[in-house]
Amino acid sequence: QVRLVQSGADVEKPGASVKVSCKASGYTFTDYHMHWVRQAPGQGLEWMGWINPKSGGTNYAQKFQGRVTMTRDTSISTAYMELSRLKSDDTAVYYCARLAVPLDYWGQGTLVTVSS
Amino acid sequence: EIVLTQSPGTLSLSPGETATLSCRANQSVRSNYLSWYQQKPGQAPRRLIYDGYSRAIGIPDRISGSGSGTDFTLTISRLEPEDFAVYYCQQHGSSPYTFGQGTKLEIK
Repeated sequence: QVRLVQSGADVEKPGASVKVSCKASGYTFTDYHMHWVRQAPGQGLEWMGWINPKSGGTNYAQKFQGRVTMTRDTSISTAYMELSRLKSDDTAVYYCARLAVPLDYWGQGTLVTVSS
Repeated sequence: EIVLTQSPGTLSLSPGETATLSCRANQSVRSNYLSWYQQKPGQAPRRLIYDGYSRAIGIPDRISGSGSGTDFTLTISRLEPEDFAVYYCQQHGSSPYTFGQGTKLEIK
């Protein structure tokens, strides 16, 4: 069965960077784009972008351009999302998700807390 | 950027009633690439509807989507206790793939 397993919770200081991993299993990793979506505490969902695992091509939301980098390692079927120059309002749960129709699959979420 | 506005913000209904949720876009959603998601506390979202009206696998037929262009509706008939959650619409017709702000469906 398809599974997306993310790295554990992280606490970072303002100005630092965080890198979240998402290990895929149960399907051919390079066949589907991987999306990243975040959710601040008590808030709604925010789409950050996607990576094409086959080509490494990316599509980032303008809001995160210059601060986000999505990469992948096809040898271990893992996608990564790195966010730099962290601010307090980057505190959120970060999800990786395979959103191709008809079935969507989501990771369990990774809580990133930005605090001094 | 396409802005999706969901209404109402909160909907209070009783089990057995029908919920009607709205999602309005500030410009036409290409090819009706609009999905609806349900999210329960502490859980990842789960897609219910894609392409405006297609039901995801395992979603009961009392849940339906309709609409096109800029106006979309999610209808949940015969509400059951497990339906009370937060619902989001998302468009993926043009980047960025924006979400609406959500509608909370609560038990009256």
